[in-house]
Amino acid sequence: AQSVTQPDIHITVSEGASLELRCNYSYGATPYLFWYVQSPGQGLQLLLKYFSGDTLVQGIKGFEAEFKRSQSSFNLRKPSVHWSDAAEYFCAVGKAAGNKLTFGGGTRVLVKP
Amino acid sequence: DTGVSQDPRHKITKRGQNVTFRCDPISEHNRLYWYRQTLGQGPEFLTYFQNEAQLEKSRLLSDRFSAERPKGSFSTLEIQRTEQGDSAMYLCASSSFSGSAYNEQFFGPGTRLTVL
Repeated sequence: AQSVTQPDIHITVSEGASLELRCNYSYGATPYLFWYVQSPGQGLQLLLKYFSGDTLVQGIKGFEAEFKRSQSSFNLRKPSVHWSDAAEYFCAVGKAAGNKLTFGGGTRVLVKP
Repeated sequence: DTGVSQDPRHKITKRGQNVTFRCDPISEHNRLYWYRQTLGQGPEFLTYFQNEAQLEKSRLLSDRFSAERPKGSFSTLEIQRTEQGDSAMYLCASSSFSGSAYNEQFFGPGTRLTVL
């Protein structure tokens, strides 16, 4: 069965600083990988996804993620965070197109002014 | 396109009562998913439908839970004889599945259930 681990429960970053959120997955085949963001009172919003091809994927809101098969990782990065990036971020893996998602436990990001 | 909607947004009930939640997917989306999210955790898959057919149910979906999508449009999730452990956010998502490519799951705002 697939699983996702997000090692960092909380991360605090200063506005304007860079951000990296870690995600490790366990899955036997090539996974479909996703990053979602959840703001208070809001639904989950897809930031970016990886299916195949270029291992560096660009998403919305200035986020990018890099797929590293050898490390079973799919880390999310942003060069310069804004106060509006404060939210909870979830990494997820899907085993086939259109199928269910398995989520990690999430990382809550706090942005200091 | 109005997005996925869920009703109610909040529900407080007493232990032992039955509750029903509704999800309206994005129109023309043929797949509909239910997830449960407890405090401090990521969403966990419960079940999903393709049109009106329920294709998979998680072991998390005990006999007290039932989901339907009678006409392949909206879906309901019913919990009978609620327990305090059922307190969670119930999320609905929909997607347009064609079988040839991945299509994003769009999530609704969720229904937060509190069982007293």
